[in-house]
Amino acid sequence: RKEVEQDPGPFNVPEGATVAFNCTYSNSASQSFFWYRQDCRKEPKLLMSVYSSGNEDGRFTAQLNRASQYISLLIRDSKLSDSATYLCVVPPSGNEKLTFGTGTRLTIIP
Amino acid sequence: DTGVSQDPRHKITKRGQNVTFRCDPISEHNRLYWYRQTLGQGPEFLTYFQNEAQLEKSRLLSDRFSAERPKGSFSTLEIQRTEQGDSAMYLCASSLRRGSGGGNEQFFGPGTRLTVL
Repeated sequence: RKEVEQDPGPFNVPEGATVAFNCTYSNSASQSFFWYRQDCRKEPKLLMSVYSSGNEDGRFTAQLNRASQYISLLIRDSKLSDSATYLCVVPPSGNEKLTFGTGTRLTIIP
Repeated sequence: DTGVSQDPRHKITKRGQNVTFRCDPISEHNRLYWYRQTLGQGPEFLTYFQNEAQLEKSRLLSDRFSAERPKGSFSTLEIQRTEQGDSAMYLCASSLRRGSGGGNEQFFGPGTRLTVL
């Protein structure tokens, strides 16, 4: 099993819709979880950290399910500018390196 | 611009040649990371430094690869005898690690795109 697994998509979603991605991870000892966003031919940028209690930032909500070992990202009222690849990141416990999923490609359609 | 910078942005080389990339982290950041990204994949960890000490190297980092951070500021990544399989985006990131606190946001540079012909 891969350390971090994501559905690569692509997800083609109409503007204004709600879209959700899941990401599963294999290391039950992992303590930190992140969602990064990567635009085409650009570097990854941190979108959200994922806390045990879940967190929300505007239209974005991240959730953690430790029992099932997955994290999720929900985007409400999607905008054209949300089109990007969303990378799930789960650093191994006690380790500084970031372990990325393959990313989920999202395209918002006008 | 006070973000992470990388040079060059693009490099085309012939198989067998040596290449060197440079990364300048955010000035107060003590940790510096190198990742490699191929098309359709997420970045893969190569190595990281805390100040000038190289603390971890991935198994992906064959003996043809060497990274340095001699003064704890900028870093170089050298690939000797390049192979076509080395073609990828090489990303550098930096972070500020304080004490033993958990979690660290890594800020990425724009990357160096290497094409080996």
